[in-house]
Amino acid sequence: DGGITQSPKYLFRKEGQNVTLSCEQNLNHDAMYWYRQDPGQGLRLIYYSQIVNDFQKGDIAEGYSVSREKKESFPLTVTSAQKNPTAFYLCASSTPHLGINEKLFFGSGTQLSVL
Amino acid sequence: RKEVEQDPGPFNVPEGATVAFNCTYSNSASQSFFWYRQDCRKEPKLLMSVYSSGNEDGRFTAQLNRASQYISLLIRDSKLSDSATYLCVVTPYNTDKLIFGTGTRLQVFP
Repeated sequence: DGGITQSPKYLFRKEGQNVTLSCEQNLNHDAMYWYRQDPGQGLRLIYYSQIVNDFQKGDIAEGYSVSREKKESFPLTVTSAQKNPTAFYLCASSTPHLGINEKLFFGSGTQLSVL
Repeated sequence: RKEVEQDPGPFNVPEGATVAFNCTYSNSASQSFFWYRQDCRKEPKLLMSVYSSGNEDGRFTAQLNRASQYISLLIRDSKLSDSATYLCVVTPYNTDKLIFGTGTRLQVFP
């Protein structure tokens, strides 16, 4: 079955440590996204990529980095510069141009917590 | 003013009730509108796209009011399984970015 897979489901980070969240999709989608969700908040866009080897900052990119070396993969690194990383992270993919009949496909999320 | 605003709730309703949520958006040039459903600590899933003429899917009806810049979601004959957070999502004109509201929490009780 086609889908989008995030791992791990739960991740713990020590102070000063970089951690990487994995996101893989086999839907043949060109566009991929990373969102962050805090309790009682909507989803906020961290980074997005419309095509391989290209990505753009979203609204809250500081303290994060991404790469898009393969169409299927869009890993997110939470660096030590991100001072408040505890949140629920969601990866999504879609066809390149979201219109009225398009939708985002989400992974099941990664809960990141600071030790 | 936030780009997309929703009443966070919770809306506590009995089974069988009809409940409606509104969502306002600030960008008058917004072009696409959606309702997503999110269960606790799960990923959001598309519930319905919202068309200019309004649309219905079973017990769910979505409406768009461009003049007043809001969209609505009506749920008839509420089921216990409808308990979730409903996210309003808007796409500004000429962009592929989706702007998410904070969500409205619905709790249906027996």
